[in-house]
Amino acid sequence: EAGVVQSPRYKIIEKKQPVAFWCNPISGHNTLYWYRQNLGQGPELLIRYENEEAVDDSQLPKDRFSAERLKGVDSTLKIQPAELGDSAVYLCASSLDRLNTEAFFGQGTRLTVV
Amino acid sequence: AQSVTQLGSHVSVSEGALVLLRCNYSSSVPPYLFWYVQYPNQGLQLLLKYTSAATLVKGINGFEAEFKKSETSFHLTKPSAHMSDAAEYFCAVIGNFGNEKLTFGTGTRLTIIP
Repeated sequence: EAGVVQSPRYKIIEKKQPVAFWCNPISGHNTLYWYRQNLGQGPELLIRYENEEAVDDSQLPKDRFSAERLKGVDSTLKIQPAELGDSAVYLCASSLDRLNTEAFFGQGTRLTVV
Repeated sequence: AQSVTQLGSHVSVSEGALVLLRCNYSSSVPPYLFWYVQYPNQGLQLLLKYTSAATLVKGINGFEAEFKKSETSFHLTKPSAHMSDAAEYFCAVIGNFGNEKLTFGTGTRLTIIP
């Protein structure tokens, strides 16, 4: 069974440019998370989806970040415009549903903003 | 709101020695607790989880953790360290009964000395 797939693995962009990350969760997993992990820190939740509904986006900087999960499967996280402080690893994870406690993580996208 | 605190951002042990990584939690509801491992440039992999069953939880790669409610702790141990255990370890907590946000600690980097 394929795990959580993220692309791209690495991205380097200039500040003020837009960038998008894509995540394909494990088949059948209804809950999807986007986390940001700064260097030397633990992951911090940006947004959590239950199917196509964003149920927790309190930590998402809505002035420049947006996310969508069309049809409750794949998800895209976008930053526009990117700032130097956005450099981090962006992790996607999925679990069967909100009551299932095991989240499976993708390998992440390492974003460098220069 | 629930949180976890990991004591010691860096831990070094000799190969074959005991590994002890500390985690204390704070939660207003009975928590579910997790240990994840992250190898360089990889996503997070679940080592073990506590979900209110047995207080001593055994995980993969010879790791185990004990839930101690009186000490609000969930420390990770391994009797004999192996070089392949060198990685970053994250403790995480999720509140059940409708508060399913998975919250991570800041991580502990484990170094194994040959």
